[in-house]
This record gives sequence, C-alpha cells and structure tokens, in this order.
Amino acid sequence: AQRVTQPEKLLSVFKGAPVELKCNYSYSGSPELFWYVQYSRQRLQLLLRHISRESIKGFTADLNKGETSFHLKKPFAQEEDSAMYYCALKGGANNLFFGTGTRLTVIP
Amino acid sequence: GAVVSQHPSRVICKSGTSVKIECRSLDFQATTMFWYRQFPKQSLMLMATSNEGSKATYEQGVEKDKFLINHASLTLSTLTVTSAHPEDSSFYICSATTGYSSYNEQFFGPGTRLTVL
Repeated sequence: AQRVTQPEKLLSVFKGAPVELKCNYSYSGSPELFWYVQYSRQRLQLLLRHISRESIKGFTADLNKGETSFHLKKPFAQEEDSAMYYCALKGGANNLFFGTGTRLTVIP
Repeated sequence: GAVVSQHPSRVICKSGTSVKIECRSLDFQATTMFWYRQFPKQSLMLMATSNEGSKATYEQGVEKDKFLINHASLTLSTLTVTSAHPEDSSFYICSATTGYSSYNEQFFGPGTRLTVL
C-alpha cells in the first residue's frame, strides 16, 4: 500500500535561513511525487512535481529512491513562504495520496 | 490557470438529511474528478475517483451508498452525503484533471465545510 510520511507537523525558520521539509514514501510501483502548498485562506495548489525537475519559487525537491524520500528544500526562506506544505504520491488511477502536511513559518 | 469551483462553500444541516455538493471545472473539461475529505488539522484523505459517465471508484473504508458520486458531464461532479450524521461533519474538497499523466495537474476546489447538527 502507498504511504506518504511528513514527520514534522510544524517547522519554523528565520528569514534567509535554509529550509528543508521532509517527505518519505512507500510505494510498490514507480513513484511519482509532488509538493502542494496551501497559503492562508487559499486553496491547495501544485508547487512542483519530481518529473519536471523544476525549481519553483526557489524550491527544489529531488526524488531519492534509495532513501524513498522527496524532501523539499529552499536555500533562503522568505516570509511569503509561510504556508502549509503537503507531499503527495500519485497512485495508479492518477489519484493522489497526501502526507499529513508541514506548517512552515518563516520568522522575520 | 484552470479553475475549479465548489458549491456551497458552507452548509449546515440536520442529522438524517442529505446534502449535495457540486464540483465544477469552469474553463476546462475534466476527464477525472476526485473527492477528498479533510478533518481539522489532518491531511486530505482521498474518498473516491470519478470519471465522466462511469461509476466512481471508492477508496477502502468509504461507503459508496452513503457518499453518492455522480459525474454526469465533463465539467460537473456531485457528491451527495446521504442521511448525514454529526460524524460526517468535515471539509470536503474536490479536484479535477484533464488526463492521467503527471503533467496533467490536479486543480483543487476551495472546499465545502459540512456541519451536521
């Protein structure tokens, strides 16, 4: 069965500091992973997907199959990065299985 | 970008009544729509996957007779919570996508907060 684990419910960093949000997964097939973000009072939206190998808003995430991880990183956190972040794994029917989320707070 | 709407945004009903929630893709045709449920301070839990013109596929533990899903067109899916009880109170979120590739993004609705008294 598929599972996505985000060990940190809350994460606080100072502005300008590096940030890493952890995500681990278990899946029997070839994993496709995503990071979604939910800013205050807004709907959930896609931040990035591993297959695109993209950097969005300074965030990157590398799929590590050996460690079954897909950690989200940004070298210099900004106040506007404060939000709820969800790691998600795509299932066989194109459905998404979400982790429990990490609330990131960037302290000015 | 693509927009998904939900109606109503908030509903309060009495125990035993049925509630219908609509999910619409406003500017694109959605081959697939998904329904999620989110309890306070918890993650989104997938309830069912709905393809236009066919029966929804429910996740394990989700009662299909209680949560009726109809996907009658490429722009509309409805979730009906039948004989609602207080434990059904939750935040229900739908999403829609245009295809099965990971390049086909899922677009999320704003959610519907259901409170059953």
